[in-house]
Amino acid sequence: AQSVTQPDIHITVSEGASLELRCNYSYGATPYLFWYVQSPGQGLQLLLKYFSGDTLVQGIKGFEAEFKRSQSSFNLRKPSVHWSDAAEYFCAVGAGVTGGGNKLTFGTGTQLKVEL
Amino acid sequence: NAGVTQTPKFQVLKTGQSMTLQCAQDMNHEYMSWYRQDPGMGLRLIHYSVGAGITDQGEVPNGYNVSRSTTEDFPLRLLSAAPSQTSVYFCASSSPRESTYEQYFGPGTRLTVT
Repeated sequence: AQSVTQPDIHITVSEGASLELRCNYSYGATPYLFWYVQSPGQGLQLLLKYFSGDTLVQGIKGFEAEFKRSQSSFNLRKPSVHWSDAAEYFCAVGAGVTGGGNKLTFGTGTQLKVEL
Repeated sequence: NAGVTQTPKFQVLKTGQSMTLQCAQDMNHEYMSWYRQDPGMGLRLIHYSVGAGITDQGEVPNGYNVSRSTTEDFPLRLLSAAPSQTSVYFCASSSPRESTYEQYFGPGTRLTVT
C-alpha cells in the first residue's frame, strides 16, 4: 500500500523568503504525485502534478516541485513567498485501478504561516 | 461546467440519525471518490467508484454506504451517525481519459454529529 509522509506539521517563513515543503512517498510502481493547497474553510486546489517526464514540474502561483526517485521525494518549492500563500499544503500519491488518480493517499499536511 | 458540487455545505446531526451527502459532477468522469478530512490526519478515502454500478471500499469505510446508479451522482449515506463521523467530507471525480488522472474536488460538506 502507498503512503505519504509530510514531516513538517507547521512551517513559518518571512514574506519574500524561499520555501521548501517536504514530501516523501512509498509506492511500488511509478507514482502519480500531487500537491494541493487548502485555504481556511475552503476546498482543495491543485498546485501541480507529476506522472512522467521532466522531474521538475511547474505549477500555479509560482510553485514548483522536483521528483527524486532515489530519495522517494517530491518536495514543493517557491523562491519568494507571499503573505497570501499562508495555507495548508497536502502532498498526495495516486494509485488504483489504472495506477492513477481515482484513489489518492494524502499526507497529513503542512500548515504554512507567513510573517510580514 | 459546474464541476463537482456537494450539498449540503453544513449539517448538524444527532447521534443515531441518518442522512445522505450528495455529490454530483458534470464532467462525465468515470471515477468518483469520497474522502473525509480530520485535523492532523489529512484526507482519507472512504469509498470510491470506477463507474456506474461499481463501488469499492477505501481506507475508512465503516459506517458509510455508497451506490452509483448514474455517472453523474455518487451519494454517501450515513445510516446511524456517530460523533466519530464529525468531519469535513469531500467528493472528487477524475477520468482515465485524462493522462494526468487529476482529481477534481468539490467544496466540501462540514458535518457535526452531537
